[in-house]
Amino acid sequence: AQSVTQLDSQVPVFEEAPVELRCNYSSSVSVYLFWYVQYPNQGLQLLLKYLSGSTLVKGINGFEAEFNKSQTSFHLRKPSVHISDTAEYFCATGNEKLTFGTGTRLTIIP
Amino acid sequence: GAGVSQTPSNKVTEKGKYVELRCDPISGHTALYWYRQSLGQGPEFLIYFQGTGAADDSGLPNDRFFAVRPEGSVSTLKIQRTERGDSAVYLCASSLTLGAPLVGELFFGEGSRLTVL
Repeated sequence: AQSVTQLDSQVPVFEEAPVELRCNYSSSVSVYLFWYVQYPNQGLQLLLKYLSGSTLVKGINGFEAEFNKSQTSFHLRKPSVHISDTAEYFCATGNEKLTFGTGTRLTIIP
Repeated sequence: GAGVSQTPSNKVTEKGKYVELRCDPISGHTALYWYRQSLGQGPEFLIYFQGTGAADDSGLPNDRFFAVRPEGSVSTLKIQRTERGDSAVYLCASSLTLGAPLVGELFFGEGSRLTVL
């Protein structure tokens, strides 16, 4: 079965500093990978996804992620965070049926 | 409406009672999904529909849980004989269709928070 692991439950970052949120996947077959964001009091929203092709994927709000097959990782990055990036971030894998990680709460420190 | 709408937003019930949670997907979206999110966890798949039929209900935890989508639009998640362990946020999502290149592009509602006392 496909699964993802998010080792960091909380990540505090100073405003305008870079951030990396880690995600590792486990799958023996071709893998689709996703990052979703949940802002306070809002529904989950797709940030970006990897299906195939270029391993560097760019998403909304300045986020990007890199698919690394040798390390089975799909880490999310942003070069400079803003207060508005405060949210919970979920890595996910799957096809029609997504399996989500436990989430990483990103807190931006002014 | 513009997004996925879920009602009620909050539901408090007593152990053993019957509960219905409603989801109104984005107009034109053929696929509809139900997930459950417990405190401190990521969303957990329950069931998804393509049109009126349940394409995959493998995530429903037991036979107390049932979902319908009779006309291919609105869906209702039904929970019989509720238990305290059913307390969670129930999320509904819809997508335009299934399969690449739109795979995984789900639009989520804000969820229905169920508390079983």
